[in-house]
Amino acid sequence: KAGVTQTPRYLIKTRGQQVTLSCSPISGHRSVSWYQQTPGQGLQFLFEYFSETQRNKGNFPGRFSGRQFSNSRSEMNVSTLELGDSALYLCASSLDTNQETQYFGPGTRLLVL
Amino acid sequence: KQEVTQIPAALSVPEGENLVLNCSFTDSAIYNLQWFRQDPGKGLTSLLLIQSSQREQTSGRLNASLDKSSGRSTLYIAASQPGDSATYLCAVLAGRRALTFGSGTRLQVQP
Repeated sequence: KAGVTQTPRYLIKTRGQQVTLSCSPISGHRSVSWYQQTPGQGLQFLFEYFSETQRNKGNFPGRFSGRQFSNSRSEMNVSTLELGDSALYLCASSLDTNQETQYFGPGTRLLVL
Repeated sequence: KQEVTQIPAALSVPEGENLVLNCSFTDSAIYNLQWFRQDPGKGLTSLLLIQSSQREQTSGRLNASLDKSSGRSTLYIAASQPGDSATYLCAVLAGRRALTFGSGTRLQVQP
């Protein structure tokens, strides 16, 4: 079974631009979560989607948004990029229970110049 | 607000040594606790998942324990190898289905 895939793997953007990241979960997984990892803040929860609906959201500004499609693939978008948005963005998928392992993708490394 | 702490922040051991990584969390109302491994610049690899009703889980040379009442978990690595060198992250899943992560323990196993 294929793992979680994320595209692109690397991105370089300039301040003020916007970016869209993509995540394809493991087949059969309907829950997709996004996390931001930075050296200063560590891993922080962005949001979680299930059946095309955002169920939970972390403490990030409205510039960070996402969506999920009917095939469970998910995208996250960051508008008006700031230097502090430079990070590794990780996507995780799981079955829809609280007893299941969350499986992470390789991440997208975003550099904002 | 749930907080997860991992000690030590870094650890260097000679090959073959047994070692223990520690994780503590402030709110015992969790669904489960996961240990992950992260290699530099890479994503997270799940090592062990312990449900809130369980006390421990084992996989190969790894053993993780959970004491929910005291808010503690340990990851025991037996007979460490250079390939075990990585950052080990502990995370708890509570309400909102969001994992709260510790800051990790960076492990180096010297040949």
